This record gives sequence, C-alpha cells and structure tokens, in this order.
Amino acid sequence: AQKVTQAQTEISVVEKEDVTLDCVYETRDTTYYLFWYKQPPSGELVFLIRRNSFDEQNEISGRYSWNFQKSTSSFNFTITASQVVDSAVYFCALSDTSITQGGSEKLVFGKGTKLTVNP
Amino acid sequence: EPEVTQTPSHQVTQMGQEVILRCVPISNHLYFYWYRQILGQKVEFLVSFYNNEISEKSEIFDDQFSVERPDGSNFTLKIRSTKLEDSAMYFCASNPRETYNSPLHFGNGTRLTVT
Repeated sequence: AQKVTQAQTEISVVEKEDVTLDCVYETRDTTYYLFWYKQPPSGELVFLIRRNSFDEQNEISGRYSWNFQKSTSSFNFTITASQVVDSAVYFCALSDTSITQGGSEKLVFGKGTKLTVNP
Repeated sequence: EPEVTQTPSHQVTQMGQEVILRCVPISNHLYFYWYRQILGQKVEFLVSFYNNEISEKSEIFDDQFSVERPDGSNFTLKIRSTKLEDSAMYFCASNPRETYNSPLHFGNGTRLTVT
C-alpha cells in the first residue's frame, strides 16, 4: 500500500534560517509521482512541485529546492532564507496511479508539517 | 490562469440534513475528484470521476455520498444525511487527460460544519 510519512509535525524557525521538511514514502509501483503542496492559513492547497520517479535530479525554484533520493525513498523539501510568508502546513503526496484508469490520479498525502517562521 | 472554483466557501448545516457542495472544474479537464481534510489532519481521497461515472472511490465514500456532473460545467458532491464527523474541508480537483498525470489543480475548498 502507498504511504507517505512526514515525521516532523511542527517546525519553528526564525526568519532567514534555512529549513528542511522531510518526506519518506512507500510504494510498490515502479512509476509514480511525488508532490509537495502548501496549505497557508487561508486553507487552500497550493501546488509546489511534481516529480517523476525516473527523474532523480534535484530541483531548485527560487528559495525552494527538492532532494529526491530513490535509494532512501525520500523527497525532502528545503526552504532557503525562510520568510514569514512561508508559514504554512506543507504536505508531501504520492500518486497512486491506476494505469487502467488512464489519466486518473489519486494522491496519498502525508500528515503534513506545520512550519512557523517567526520574524 | 484557469482555476477550479468551489462554492460555497463555508457551509453550516444541521446533522441529518442534506448538503450539496459545488465545484466548477477547469473547462478542458476530464478527470474530477473530491478530497476531504478533517481539521488538523491530512488530506484524504474520496472519489474520482471520469466520463460521467465514478472511476475510483475510497472507503470513506459510502452510500451517504454521491457525485454528479449535472451539466457541462458543474461537479457536485452530495451528502445525504450529514453526521457530525462529516465536518471537514472538502476540496474539489481536476486534471486533463492528454497530459498523463498532470498535477491536480485544487479548488480553494468548502469548509463544511455540521452542528
């Protein structure tokens, strides 16, 4: 069964600190996708990144970077020079893709990490 | 950029009442979903819908739940007889078919409060 573990329930940092959010996943699929979503206090889910299981290259987008390591089944997310606006709950998710369903995509989410960035 | 739109943003209902949560997916998308997030917990898959029928559903999606695409634009989730434990944020999502496994576009959610 698919499973996503975000062991860090809450993290609190001071502005400008770097912070890494951990994500470990379990799957028997050879092809899968990993995601990160941000949920600010207003409640919506904001897509941050999707990573194909065949692409282990790290990705950087501004202050955000992601480290995908298949060997350890981890997909960690780092925010560099954190800002107060980064305060949110961050969810890691894994696709549970039913190939027979064509493009249908069912995501399995972790429990989320609440990040608080203090001024 | 096109968005998934959900209405209302907040719905309060009494236990035992029927509620309908509404969603307008992105217009060229073909797959539609409902997810649920009980306050402070993780987001959970409820149901996926394609070609006017349910393609997959979770254990949560029991007989009290139903989905419908009544016209070319709306996608609804109905809860027939609400329970206190149905209180949650409900997210609608959609994605196109031509881009296999494109990222889900989520709406802003409807917060359902059952009293």
